[in-house]
Amino acid sequence: AQSVAQPEDQVNVAEGNPLTVKCTYSVSGNPYLFWYVQYPNRGLQFLLKYITGDNLVKGSYGFEAEFNKSQTSFHLKKPSALVSDSALYFCAPHRPGYALNFGKGTSLLVTP
Amino acid sequence: NAGVTQTPKFQVLKTGQSMTLQCAQDMNHEYMSWYRQDPGMGLRLIHYSVGAGITDQGEVPNGYNVSRSTTEDFPLRLLSAAPSQTSVYFCASSVTLSGANVLTFGAGSRLTVL
Repeated sequence: AQSVAQPEDQVNVAEGNPLTVKCTYSVSGNPYLFWYVQYPNRGLQFLLKYITGDNLVKGSYGFEAEFNKSQTSFHLKKPSALVSDSALYFCAPHRPGYALNFGKGTSLLVTP
Repeated sequence: NAGVTQTPKFQVLKTGQSMTLQCAQDMNHEYMSWYRQDPGMGLRLIHYSVGAGITDQGEVPNGYNVSRSTTEDFPLRLLSAAPSQTSVYFCASSVTLSGANVLTFGAGSRLTVL
């Protein structure tokens, strides 16, 4: 069975502070790891992905994610949050050849 | 390049009515899929297709039918709508399912079943 956990329904952070959105997964093999973002009343957009190599992956809008194989985690991070980062964030481990399942999502609220 | 186009954007149905949510992509993607998004439930996979003529069930397929007669189109059919099918539906496509390909999502279709 494949599963993905985003333990926090909501993350609140003040503008300018660092942010972390957590994701752990249980997927057979060596899955690719994705983060997608959904801004209010919009569809989902790709943010970043990990395939192999360096455990720190950089993506769009200043976001990065850290892959930890031993903890099967892929936490999303940003050094300095912006109010415009407020959105719903989805983690998605992808086992090649299998359909993509998403976590339940974490709502990020950045306050001025 | 239109990407993934979903129609309609909004729809209200009565219980027992049928309808089809349309999804079309112009990127020659092999893989297409349908998700529903409900508060607190995240995105749940309904059906998916890895190519024309091939479909498979996802996590929550009951009450929905799909077909894939062309590469471009992947319609989702509700044969007898129920209030539990009130949701926002997203169609998504990617080049293939075998690589680390990015999913391209449509803008969504909001369905209300009374």
